[in-house]
Amino acid sequence: QQQVKQSPQSLIVQKGGIPIINCAYENTAFDYFPWYQQFPGKGPALLIAIRPDVSEKKEGRFTISFNKSAKQFSLHIMDSQPGDSATYFCAASMGTSYDKVIFGPGTSLSVIP
Amino acid sequence: SAVISQKPSRDICQRGTSLTIQCQVDSQVTMMFWYRQQPGQSLTLIATANQGSEATYESGFVIDKFPISRPNLTFSTLTVSNMSPEDSSIYLCSAWTGSGYTFGSGTRLTVV
Repeated sequence: QQQVKQSPQSLIVQKGGIPIINCAYENTAFDYFPWYQQFPGKGPALLIAIRPDVSEKKEGRFTISFNKSAKQFSLHIMDSQPGDSATYFCAASMGTSYDKVIFGPGTSLSVIP
Repeated sequence: SAVISQKPSRDICQRGTSLTIQCQVDSQVTMMFWYRQQPGQSLTLIATANQGSEATYESGFVIDKFPISRPNLTFSTLTVSNMSPEDSSIYLCSAWTGSGYTFGSGTRLTVV
């Protein structure tokens, strides 16, 4: 029940395309759903996060769509650039300072010029 | 947002030895979390560290192998003890810093 599923495992898109990464969870107690971007040799960096009281959140070119009834959420990257090539992790947590974060398995994104 | 400084950034160690990894947060935090990331894999939580109490370990991780200290609200250490090549991984610390969970840059450990 603590698991977060993520797909696809890898993704290749052309520059300007819109990669979409999908995640699903089981534990309805999760209350905070962040996305992390990780470049090789670096720690994960928080990209955008959402709580289940909203269905969509946009920050710049990044959008999270959230479907509470289906227990699914997804990341869309608009006008993708080669610099977006990285590994993306979805995650879930109870969302307080006391709670751990459960990570999905990750998606390796390559944006080709 | 807060910054977490982690050191060393990388190390190569002999099997059977121990390595202590340090994490310093630039603000006070309640909990600190230690993760392991094996090559090409996701992050797996090792333990959660609260000041003044023993760390809470996840299934598959034990205190004798991964002792953790949390002497104050801005600092924590993780020791990887009696290392074997299977311990070669990236180790990361994290904390909730008000605007989300922030991570250190990681320690890349290679055991030879």
